[in-house]
Amino acid sequence: DMKVTQMPRYLIKRMGENVLLECGQDMSHETMYWYRQDPGLGLQLIYISYDVDSNSEGDIPKGYRVSRKKREHFSLILDSAKTNQTSVYFCASSLLRDKNTEVFFGKGTRLTVV
Amino acid sequence: GDSVTQKQGQVTLSEDDFLFINCTYSTTTYPTLFWYVQYPGQGPQLLLKVTTANNKGISRGFEATYDKGTTSFHLQKASVQESDSAVYFCALVDTNTDKVVFGTGTRLQVSP
Repeated sequence: DMKVTQMPRYLIKRMGENVLLECGQDMSHETMYWYRQDPGLGLQLIYISYDVDSNSEGDIPKGYRVSRKKREHFSLILDSAKTNQTSVYFCASSLLRDKNTEVFFGKGTRLTVV
Repeated sequence: GDSVTQKQGQVTLSEDDFLFINCTYSTTTYPTLFWYVQYPGQGPQLLLKVTTANNKGISRGFEATYDKGTTSFHLQKASVQESDSAVYFCALVDTNTDKVVFGTGTRLQVSP
């Protein structure tokens, strides 16, 4: 079953705390992504990873970092979370540089920073 | 870089109405074009994709045609149902950066 799994699904953190969002996929996809989606807005790319330890900034990387130590696992880290990082975060994966295949998304993590 | 544009932020229809969601693209080549649908509380999922080889994609009653002349990839459905209420994104893969480029999304609200 082709799946992208995100944990946790819901998270509440205080401002200044560290946040770890985890993502796994079972399709052996080389490429993985982290997006955030705010109400009324589209998908904003935070980071893209082309394989283990091969990460690249997306459009809004400030305040975030990522870790990819295994092909099937991609983490998003917020060091000292801010209230403006309250959002829904989506992890996704796809085959490397295959422009004809789809991107598979997880169900999202709703993060609230208070 | 390559881009897609969705001008409609929201579309409101009644059941059995005809659906038309606008999408135009700007690219230097002819990449595969995609429509994704995002139901409430879920991540986006593929609705259909079209290459220049097949020109038209059809899925679950939705269809989209790859129009090189007008650089458009509009999504249509003859008769919408309340269950089609969702956000629809058109997308492509930028040929230079290999990044997926999404439109801003169109929220479809269908009332019974």
